[in-house]
Amino acid sequence: GAGVSQSPSNKVTEKGKDVELRCDPISGHTALYWYRQRLGQGLEFLIYFQGNSAPDKSGLPSDRFSAERTGESVSTLTIQRTQQEDSAVYLCASSLTFGTRQPQHFGDGTRLSIL
Amino acid sequence: EDQVTQSPEALRLQEGESSSLNCSYTVSGLRGLFWYRQDPGKGPEFLFTLYSAGEEKEKERLKATLTKKESFLHITAPKPEDSATYLCAVQAYTTSGTYKYIFGTGTRLKVLA
Repeated sequence: GAGVSQSPSNKVTEKGKDVELRCDPISGHTALYWYRQRLGQGLEFLIYFQGNSAPDKSGLPSDRFSAERTGESVSTLTIQRTQQEDSAVYLCASSLTFGTRQPQHFGDGTRLSIL
Repeated sequence: EDQVTQSPEALRLQEGESSSLNCSYTVSGLRGLFWYRQDPGKGPEFLFTLYSAGEEKEKERLKATLTKKESFLHITAPKPEDSATYLCAVQAYTTSGTYKYIFGTGTRLKVLA
């Protein structure tokens, strides 16, 4: 498709389990971003990737969170040993490049619920 | 500290009742300001980019303007389908020489028929 695709759209898991969220950016977009959106709150930056450069992990809330990206395509966000406070919508976005005033284009997110 | 503040948090309008949403920002170096629309259960949808004070952009019933300290999203004669959360984001320089995006918490707009 033409837009950013995220899967799964919903994920319910038990506390302590690991989860993996996937993002397919728009083809040709070299920059990819992950955000967390808690209910009623703004978007919280987690991590971004720009081409083959080292990712900016400054927004990751703890070492339970990690992300990988294969070249300039798919990215996965992994949360280990999930906690209830991890419940949120995880949004992925991509842009043509990073740092050139390019708007970010978002997927519809993965709604994560930790029981 | 870099900050983006949107007001009001929520707004109810009658169909046809024009109004404005505000996004005020305090950042060390503004590179661009973005407006998005977010519908329930969906990701934000890009609307506008503004780069410099005095700039204006229009799309259908929406017009975005930018000053040195704030941006306004004007909605003229809104329709029920304009109901959504409107998000503002700024791209700003960081002290390490790169950029970051900072989002506001949004204005929830409800337009009544």
